[in-house]
Amino acid sequence: KAGVTQTPRYLIKTRGQQVTLSCSPISGHRSVSWYQQTPGQGLQFLFEYFSETQRNKGNFPGRFSGRQFSNSRSEMNVSTLELGDSALYLCASSSTGGGEKLFFGSGTQLSVL
Amino acid sequence: EDQVTQSPEALRLQEGESSSLNCSYTVSGLRGLFWYRQDPGKGPEFLFTLYSAGEEKEKERLKATLTKKESFLHITAPKPEDSATYLCAVQGGNTGGFKTIFGAGTRLFVKA
Repeated sequence: KAGVTQTPRYLIKTRGQQVTLSCSPISGHRSVSWYQQTPGQGLQFLFEYFSETQRNKGNFPGRFSGRQFSNSRSEMNVSTLELGDSALYLCASSSTGGGEKLFFGSGTQLSVL
Repeated sequence: EDQVTQSPEALRLQEGESSSLNCSYTVSGLRGLFWYRQDPGKGPEFLFTLYSAGEEKEKERLKATLTKKESFLHITAPKPEDSATYLCAVQGGNTGGFKTIFGAGTRLFVKA
């Protein structure tokens, strides 16, 4: 069974640009969560999607958005990039999201110059 | 607000020197407490889920325990390959939406 796939693996952008990250969950998993990981803040919850609906979101500005497609694949978008957005962005999937372990991808390392 | 605090931030052990990692938490409606291991450049990898106080889980040299306010990850006779960051997470909420909150992690270094 293929794991969670995130693309691209590395990304370099400049301030003010926007970026879209992609996540393909494990087949059959309908819940997809996104996290931002930085050395100082650890893993910070961005949002969780289930069956194309955002069920929960963390405390991030509106520049961070996401969506989920009917095949459960998910994308997250960051507009008007800031230097502080440099981080490892992790996607995780689970079957339903409730009380279940998360399966993580390897992440997308975003560098904003 | 849901919160997870892990201690210590870093731990250096000699091979064979047993120790424990602590995770204290506050959450509304605990649905599960999770331990993950993360190696550099990789996503976290699941280790254990604990659902209620008094529960214990074991896997090789690792044992996780849970009380109403904290969890411990005990490492018995660690080996260099156990070096990694260990993350504790809690999930609370209801059917309206689930949010898994992570602690900052404990970086474990095991020297041969």
